[in-house]
Amino acid sequence: AQKITQTQPGMFVQEKEAVTLDCTYDTSDQSYGLFWYKQPSSGEMIFLIYQGSYDEQNATEGRYSLNFQKARKSANLVISASQLGDSAMYFCAMSIGSSGSARQLTFGSGTQLTVLP
Amino acid sequence: DGGITQSPKYLFRKEGQNVTLSCEQNLNHDAMYWYRQDPGQGLRLIYYSQIVNDFQKGDIAEGYSVSREKKESFPLTVTSAQKNPTAFYLCATGGGYEQYFGPGTRLTVT
Repeated sequence: AQKITQTQPGMFVQEKEAVTLDCTYDTSDQSYGLFWYKQPSSGEMIFLIYQGSYDEQNATEGRYSLNFQKARKSANLVISASQLGDSAMYFCAMSIGSSGSARQLTFGSGTQLTVLP
Repeated sequence: DGGITQSPKYLFRKEGQNVTLSCEQNLNHDAMYWYRQDPGQGLRLIYYSQIVNDFQKGDIAEGYSVSREKKESFPLTVTSAQKNPTAFYLCATGGGYEQYFGPGTRLTVT
């Protein structure tokens, strides 16, 4: 069985500074994908970034980058130059291999990020 | 506009009643999913469907049922057998590795 662990229930960061949100995962599969989603107070889930287990380079999407350390089974999200609008809940998630067109996601418990002015 | 819609946004029901949550997508994706979120927690998979007329149980399927008669639609019924139905329900559709989520339905059962 796969598991995602996010050990930081809440984080604070000053506006314009960088912040790292931790995520560790556990799986015996060799093929998997790692995701980060943002959930504002409105409840919608916003896809941020994806890293495949065979990708050698860390994924980047604008101000978001994923620090993928396969040996440590960690997939930390780095947000550079934090903005007030980044305040939200952040979820790390994992999918295992591929099953036709469906990928079942396993989510962590989330980290509530608050950006301070 | 392309996207995924869920209705209604808020739903209130009395205990013992079945209730159906709507999920529609026009992204032409084959895969669709239902997740449940409890306060302060991550999402848990209820059911998913890879193609029309086929669906699979997720981690917490007990007390729920689904149908997939059309590619665009994947309704979820919360039955009276679900012991703790009050939660936030999110529908998603999959294209490639990414899943696109709907705005969610907050169900309150009293």
